[in-house]
Amino acid sequence: GAVVSQHPSWVICKSGTSVKIECRSLDFQATTMFWYRQFPKQSLMLMATSNEGSKATYEQGVEKDKFLINHASLTLSTLTVTSAHPEDSSFYICSERGLYNEQFFGPGTRLTVL
Amino acid sequence: GENVEQHPSTLSVQEGDSAVIKCTYSDSASNYFPWYKQELGKRPQLIIDIRSNVGEKKDQRIAVTLNKTAKHFSLHITETQPEDSAVYFCAATPLGQLTFGSGTQLTVLP
Repeated sequence: GAVVSQHPSWVICKSGTSVKIECRSLDFQATTMFWYRQFPKQSLMLMATSNEGSKATYEQGVEKDKFLINHASLTLSTLTVTSAHPEDSSFYICSERGLYNEQFFGPGTRLTVL
Repeated sequence: GENVEQHPSTLSVQEGDSAVIKCTYSDSASNYFPWYKQELGKRPQLIIDIRSNVGEKKDQRIAVTLNKTAKHFSLHITETQPEDSAVYFCAATPLGQLTFGSGTQLTVLP
């Protein structure tokens, strides 16, 4: 399957700052990537679908102005958490869609907002 | 949109016994049903998947069954081992974006 990397693997920041998470497809041109969020002991929740060259599609309840997604190339999608607060602390995972709807997940980014 | 329900939330079995996890979905257009194993702090790992044109699929100790009419699918793990202990998620999708079940914490007791 495809190889997806994510950076950073973990980040600690102060409340009010912004954090950028990168998701890279290392061996596949990903026109569609997905961003998920997972709180402790909970399931993965889809935040948004990132399409190369166009605006992301956000799920209901996800603030697009707070979670900025950019997918400027076929190998890179970024998620910026703006003005982060403690309640944004979570495990953020990206994935890319394969040719047959399968998904290849990145290793995830653990965000802790103090 | 799609809604996926998963049961049970926790499951303890003796080593060597079988484990069964069940999921139901709501969107009849869903056509891809993967199962993931997730260990603490790590990414979900695909263990088996099934598509809507197939009723059953098996890979060594792991099998998945799909009943499209009833809109449910199940994961079967036979001869469980302690290393099978993890959280398992089912998922469904009609268009690519996955809707996950709530997860099952499987504990295999030695």
